[in-house]
Parts: sequence; structure tokens; C-alpha cells
Amino acid sequence: GQQVMQIPQYQHVQEGEDFTTYCNSSTTLSNIQWYKQRPGGHPVFLIQLVKSGEVKKQKRLTFQFGEAKKNSSLHITATQTTDVGTYFCAGRDDYKLSFGAGTTVTVRA
Amino acid sequence: EAQVTQNPRYLITVTGKKLTVTCSQNMNHEYMSWYRQDPGLGLRQIYYSMNVEVTDKGDVPEGYKVSRKEKRNFPLILESPSPNQTSLYFCASSARGRTYEQYFGPGTRLTVT
Repeated sequence: GQQVMQIPQYQHVQEGEDFTTYCNSSTTLSNIQWYKQRPGGHPVFLIQLVKSGEVKKQKRLTFQFGEAKKNSSLHITATQTTDVGTYFCAGRDDYKLSFGAGTTVTVRA
Repeated sequence: EAQVTQNPRYLITVTGKKLTVTCSQNMNHEYMSWYRQDPGLGLRQIYYSMNVEVTDKGDVPEGYKVSRKEKRNFPLILESPSPNQTSLYFCASSARGRTYEQYFGPGTRLTVT
């Protein structure tokens, strides 16, 4: 079955620095979604990428979908304390959504 | 307010004692799903439902049952809970369409002793 791998599992970032989390699927995806889960909270939808090579931005967050539609990345610039949480990618294949294990981000002020 | 609700939010139970976790959404969504979240494993889908009376297995369905008799409700049933079902459970719903953006409930933390 479809497997979605996400790295790194943990990311410790100095406030103001940039970082990237990566997502790789064992199969070609119809689309990929990204979610953020704050500590103690529930996952919240951030964005969906559908097209091969697609790039979308949300303020300091940049999302990319690979040309082969098997990988994706989330890049955060100038990290802030509000970015703390776990970021999940989720690959969709028909009606099934497979989540990666997530990248848990902590920020040093 | 558009939302997904789950009850109970916390539950401690013993092995073998049947339990039901309720999930309800007020957004008229067709698609509903149950996930379990375990450290290092992310969110794993247990069951999903495309519409009333239509359900299908996710990646980890063993030991769980679901039903979808009404569009708004999607209860998760553990007929005989075991300690390896100790986890954080999330219900989610989404509208059919291009995005399938999922709206998650607040979660149910289950401990089986």
C-alpha cells in the first residue's frame, strides 16, 4: 500500500532561521495536503498541492510538489515561536489519505 | 459554528469492556474518517465513510468497527478493547470535491489497562 515518509522527525530551530521538512511517497499521488498540529491540539489544514511542480506560498511558508508527484516539501523562513507544532504531509490516492509521521518543530528564542 | 465534536474527550477503561466513541459534524459533509495518532507513527486511518451506509477499511482497522446510519454521525466502536489500542483518536470530516480538506475533531485520549 501507499506509504508516506516524512523527514526529519524533529527540527529544533533558532528563532529567525529557516528550515525545511520533506515528504516522500512510495507511489504517485493525486495530490498532497499539509496540516499543522499545535501542542495539545488537533491537525489543521494548511494547503493542498495538485499539479506536478506546483509551488504555493502562505506568508513565510512555501510548499512544493515534486515533478513526479511523489514528493513534497515545506520551507519556513524566519521561524517564529508561533511556528511551534507538528507538521504533517498527507498524500491522497483516490479516497484514502495517508499521513506521514510528522515533523515536530521546536523554536529557541 | 462549523465543527466536529467527539465524546468522550478522555477515557480510561479495562481490557475487554466494549466502548463507543462518538463523532458528529454539523457541516453536512459526506466524507468522515477515524484516525489514531501514536508517537512516531503519525496519523493512521482506521476506517472511512464516503456517505451514509458506505464505509471502508483504512490502514489499521483490526479491533474496530464503525457505522454510518446518519450523515452527521460516525461512531467508532471497540468491541473488546486491548492495551495496544491505547492511543489518541481523531475523527475528521470533509466535503466531497476537489480538495477533501479534512476538519478534525478535538481528539479522544483512550487508555486501556
